[in-house]
Amino acid sequence: GDSVTQMEGPVTLSEEAFLTINCTYTATGYPSLFWYVQYPGEGLQLLLKATKADDKGSNKGFEATYRKETTSFHLEKGSVQVSDSAVYFCALSAHMDTGRRALTFGSGTRLQVQP
Amino acid sequence: DTEVTQTPKHLVMGMTNKKSLKCEQHMGHRAMYWYKQKAKKPPELMFVYSYEKLSINESVPSRFSPECPNSSLLNLHLHALQPEDSALYLCASSQEAEQNEKLFFGSGTQLSVL
Repeated sequence: GDSVTQMEGPVTLSEEAFLTINCTYTATGYPSLFWYVQYPGEGLQLLLKATKADDKGSNKGFEATYRKETTSFHLEKGSVQVSDSAVYFCALSAHMDTGRRALTFGSGTRLQVQP
Repeated sequence: DTEVTQTPKHLVMGMTNKKSLKCEQHMGHRAMYWYKQKAKKPPELMFVYSYEKLSINESVPSRFSPECPNSSLLNLHLHALQPEDSALYLCASSQEAEQNEKLFFGSGTQLSVL
């Protein structure tokens, strides 16, 4: 079945450091890929998405490129801020055998940014 | 209004209690979802409602009973829960169930079962 694998956290960085959170996926067909973010005490929010190979999703300084050849969708940000501290979930959406689409989440990566 | 509102934010209940979680959205979305999230784990899908009808039940025990009174409201009735049911319960919505990629999540109800 479909699955998403993320790097284990926590990832601890100093403010203004470069961020990479790795995400790879396994899926049949042509999934759409997403990054969701969960701030402490809140629900998940969609951060960015890409729906086909070579698409780049971007939002709030974060970027991720859909790489079909490496089945990856790594999240990057050039300069993190303390306010970026949160849990980041990589996810994919693909058609299941039943014909419906379903969202599959990775295990999440906690980011801690220190001032 | 792009919010999904969940109440209560916190709930403590005994194993013999009956309680309900509530979720509301006014974005005109026709699909609503219940997810369960254990600590340091990703959300797990429980139920999907599409046009106020239950379309997906991910083999959830009957002690969890969902209800969709209208297109804006989603309830989760709880009865005879177990301590292992303690978790964050998240409600979400999307325009259509088949367009579930952009989910709008509420902030959740943190449930503790004693």
